[in-house]
Amino acid sequence: DAGITQSPRHKVTETGTPVTLRCHQTENHRYMYWYRQDPGHGLRLIHYSYGVKDTDKGEVSDGYSVSRSKTEDFLLTLESATSSQTSVYFCAISALLGGYTFGSGTRLTVV
Amino acid sequence: SQELEQSPQSLIVQEGKNLTINCTSSKTLYGLYWYKQKYGEGLIFLMMLQKGGEEKSHEKITAKLDEKKQQSSLHITASQPSHAGIYLCGAGRVKDSNYQLIWGAGTKLIIKP
Repeated sequence: DAGITQSPRHKVTETGTPVTLRCHQTENHRYMYWYRQDPGHGLRLIHYSYGVKDTDKGEVSDGYSVSRSKTEDFLLTLESATSSQTSVYFCAISALLGGYTFGSGTRLTVV
Repeated sequence: SQELEQSPQSLIVQEGKNLTINCTSSKTLYGLYWYKQKYGEGLIFLMMLQKGGEEKSHEKITAKLDEKKQQSSLHITASQPSHAGIYLCGAGRVKDSNYQLIWGAGTKLIIKP
């Protein structure tokens, strides 16, 4: 059991369409995070959650929304996908204080 | 500018040689984490350092946190092709009463056979 899974692993979508990425954990960790990773920028935080229905914006939140209705699931939605949102998206989880466990990533291409 | 500066940005090393990657902060580090990412894959936890002067080793990788807790180094001895990838350092911080890690930009390591 990986403890954290992301779906889908790969997705190609058209500009202007909504897209939802899912992160699922079985660790019962409080904190969940969505990052995007782009060459030259490293990991950039999009949104994070510190509990059910408790979320906050990261440094690159424009064009993204999140929801966390259950401890185990953290959804990232691109409301109207743009080419600039082509990226690799990582979900991470952590306990109250400590390192992160990362998902395997979702490679999203917006055409 | 990054709160955590990693150097070098990229590194090409002959197989069998030693190498060092650095992670520097202008602020005291509370919990310094090293991760490795293989190309196209997720990030794998390597080590965590908390105390000034702390040093940890795993196989041929050694990480140190300096006494002032503002710089960490990752040293690989006798590099192998399996060491290739991107190495990232992360440091814990509390923002708006919530805990999160901030990240360096990463160091890309290539091992030449």
